[in-house]
Amino acid sequence: DAKTTQPTSMDCAEGRAANLPCNHSTISGNEYVYWYRQIHSQGPQYIIHGLKNNETNEMASLIITEDRKSSTLILPHATLRDTAVYYCIVRVAYGGKLIFGQGTTLQVKP
Amino acid sequence: GAGVSQSPSNKVTEKGKDVELRCDPISGHTALYWYRQSLGQGLEFLIYFQGNSAPDKSGLPSDRFSAERTGGSVSTLTIQRTQQEDSAVYLCASSLTGGWTDTQYFGPGTRLTVL
Repeated sequence: DAKTTQPTSMDCAEGRAANLPCNHSTISGNEYVYWYRQIHSQGPQYIIHGLKNNETNEMASLIITEDRKSSTLILPHATLRDTAVYYCIVRVAYGGKLIFGQGTTLQVKP
Repeated sequence: GAGVSQSPSNKVTEKGKDVELRCDPISGHTALYWYRQSLGQGLEFLIYFQGNSAPDKSGLPSDRFSAERTGGSVSTLTIQRTQQEDSAVYLCASSLTGGWTDTQYFGPGTRLTVL
């Protein structure tokens, strides 16, 4: 399974864009990049996923580099409620399980 | 609609006792997963059920841990002879088909404390 590397923590000002990077240099051609987040004392919440193309939904945008070795999750207008641990996961090609790393703790400040 | 539910939300037990944790997946979801999160640790996969296939038990830490899924719906995670290191939040997730592009939806977890 491809491993991911994320910064341990990041700060963002409320109302500004939060850009969370992730390195996955050993990703295979058929592996997807997933992002989940975990707000304190809650179960993880799905955010977005992608294979090659950039993706956008109501929560966030996902930018994947052309060589697929890294990606960036963008929260366009961060709010205090976006404070959470954000996990970048490269999905195993078989078996369904998610392998979580340590994630990035995002602190949105007023 | 209703999400994944887990019960109890909190469980305190004494070392050596057996415990059962319950998960009700989203209706119609064929895949069910158990994870655990120890204090200061990341999320750790335990076991995965997909339809009538044999479960993937590769993440179970010892033979004291077992899980069942009856009727393709509700699942019970059983921990026998609990130890203090079993203290953690146990999370259940479900997904529609279990495919590797599937989205997993997580429940709120059961916080287990072993005294």
